[in-house]
Amino acid sequence: AQKVTQAQTEISVVEKEDVTLDCVYETRDTTYYLFWYKQPPSGELVFLIRRNSFDEQNEISGRYSWNFQKSTSSFNFTITASQVVDSAVYFCALRSNSGNTPLVFGKGTRLSVIA
Amino acid sequence: GAGVSQSPSNKVTEKGKDVELRCDPISGHTALYWYRQSLGQGLEFLIYFQGNSAPDKSGLPSDRFSAERTGGSVSTLTIQRTQQEDSAVYLCASSSSPGAQGREQYFGPGTRLTVT
Repeated sequence: AQKVTQAQTEISVVEKEDVTLDCVYETRDTTYYLFWYKQPPSGELVFLIRRNSFDEQNEISGRYSWNFQKSTSSFNFTITASQVVDSAVYFCALRSNSGNTPLVFGKGTRLSVIA
Repeated sequence: GAGVSQSPSNKVTEKGKDVELRCDPISGHTALYWYRQSLGQGLEFLIYFQGNSAPDKSGLPSDRFSAERTGGSVSTLTIQRTQQEDSAVYLCASSSSPGAQGREQYFGPGTRLTVT
């Protein structure tokens, strides 16, 4: 069975601080995909990144960076110099590469950035 | 281009009534998914359509839930004899590739269903 765990339910930081959101996953598949989505107060889920299991290179996009560690089954997300607009619920998700499997989501981490 | 659209945005219904929720995927997307987001349960998969293949209904919580997709485009999720525990936000997503496993899913704004 596949499982995604986001142990941090809520995080609160002061603007300009760096913050890391943790994601740990479980799967028996050798090939799989990992995703991060952002859900701002408006409610719509916004795709942030996709990473396949063959590619362990870390990725940086502006203030966002992702650290994929296959050895520890983790796919952590760091926001550098956080801003109030980063306040949202962030979901980590996993998808198998075999068959028509849906996304398996973690419970989400609610990030509040305080001015 | 236009994203995934859903209607209605909000629906309040009385317990025992049937409801229909509509999803319009991104044009050209062959895969369509329904998820449910409720307090304490996170995001749960309900059903998945891929092209003309039989849908994957493994996430539907009971036989009161059904969905169809007409002409490979618009989808309708139907909940019969609604119960209070059906109250949630119902999210639709679509994806572009026949090999949809690795493709990102684009989500609609959701329909907030409240059963009184």
